[in-house]
Amino acid sequence: DGGITQSPKYLFRKEGQNVTLSCEQNLNHDAMYWYRQDPGQGLRLIYYSQIVNDFQKGDIAEGYSVSREKKESFPLTVTSAQKNPTAFYLCASSIGSAESYSNQPQHFGDGTRLSIL
Amino acid sequence: GNSVTQMEGPVTLSEEAFLTINCTYTATGYPSLFWYVQYPGEGLQLLLKATKADDKGSNKGFEATYRKETTSFHLEKGSVQVSDSAVYFCAFNDYKLSFGAGTTVTVRA
Repeated sequence: DGGITQSPKYLFRKEGQNVTLSCEQNLNHDAMYWYRQDPGQGLRLIYYSQIVNDFQKGDIAEGYSVSREKKESFPLTVTSAQKNPTAFYLCASSIGSAESYSNQPQHFGDGTRLSIL
Repeated sequence: GNSVTQMEGPVTLSEEAFLTINCTYTATGYPSLFWYVQYPGEGLQLLLKATKADDKGSNKGFEATYRKETTSFHLEKGSVQVSDSAVYFCAFNDYKLSFGAGTTVTVRA
């Protein structure tokens, strides 16, 4: 079945450590997204990519980095510069960019919950 | 700027009760509108969508109508079940997907 796979489901970070969250999709979607979810705040966009080797900052990109070397993969690194990383992280994909395909929904993975040790 | 405002929760209902979750948006143009549902510990799933004025999206007994004149997209279900307990998000697409804060719904048997 086609879908989005996020791993790991749970992740723990030590102080000063970078951690990388994996996101893989087999939907042949061009656009991929990373969101952060905090209780009572809905979803906030961290980074998005409309095509391989290109990505843009979202609303809360500070302390995060991404890469898009393959169409299927969009890993997110939470760096030590992110001082409050504890959250639920969701990866999503869509056929094309929200700009060009505004009537197409985004498909979400099951998320990674990141906590601080 | 563009934004989505949805009814604050939590909402607690008994089985077979009527559910309404209000959602209004502020946007330039006529964005596509979506409702997503998130079950505990999972990601978001698309519940329904509407892409133009007066469109009605429906799925699993839920309905929402795109009202351009009131810039609203309220979610309704006539008879809820315990399995409908989840967090519901209203969202719209203009150049990016913008989400409301989410409404937690708990249905008691």
